[in-house]
Amino acid sequence: AQTVTQSQPEMSVQEAETVTLSCTYDTSENNYYLFWYKQPPSRQMILVIRQEAYKQQNATENRFSVNFQKAAKSFSLKISDSQLGDTAMYFCAFMLYNNNDMRFGAGTRLTVKP
Amino acid sequence: DAGITQSPRHKVTETGTPVTLRCHQTENHRYMYWYRQDPGHGLRLIHYSYGVKDTDKGEVSDGYSVSRSKTEDFLLTLESATSSQTSVYFCAISNLGGANTEAFFGQGTRLTVV
Repeated sequence: AQTVTQSQPEMSVQEAETVTLSCTYDTSENNYYLFWYKQPPSRQMILVIRQEAYKQQNATENRFSVNFQKAAKSFSLKISDSQLGDTAMYFCAFMLYNNNDMRFGAGTRLTVKP
Repeated sequence: DAGITQSPRHKVTETGTPVTLRCHQTENHRYMYWYRQDPGHGLRLIHYSYGVKDTDKGEVSDGYSVSRSKTEDFLLTLESATSSQTSVYFCAISNLGGANTEAFFGQGTRLTVV
């Protein structure tokens, strides 16, 4: 079975600064998706960014970008110009392409300080 | 927001009693999931379904059963609730493949077993 590891339980960053959240995964499959989800205190799960494993180009969504290293099985999230509203739990997730089996990491609690 | 509804949203039950949580979707998505969220563990997959009457176990399936008799409903049953099953339970849905693949989540059910 696939596993996802987030080694940073908590992180903090000053407003307007940049922060990088780490994620590694383990799989023997070649085709899959990777995601970062945000969970604010409301408990709602919100998709931040998605990467398809067959694409070499790193995904970008406004202030959010990823560094996808397929050989190293690494998928980090960079948040630029951090805002107070970015304070949340962030989950890295892995989904198999052929059956949508989806697994999550333990999460990183990010606090943006004014 | 994706049409996905969990019921009940909150429940307190006694040890040893059976409990059923319901997930209902209006998106006609093929895949449905049940996760539990606990501090330090992130979201852990309990069971998921890849079609009507087609289900598979996740990483923490012991003590749980599921049923999917129609596309829109996925039921999670705790046969005999224990205190270790106190958690927040999330239902999710996804569809097959494509550049826009993602999982959509319900609002969660907070279950307390006393």
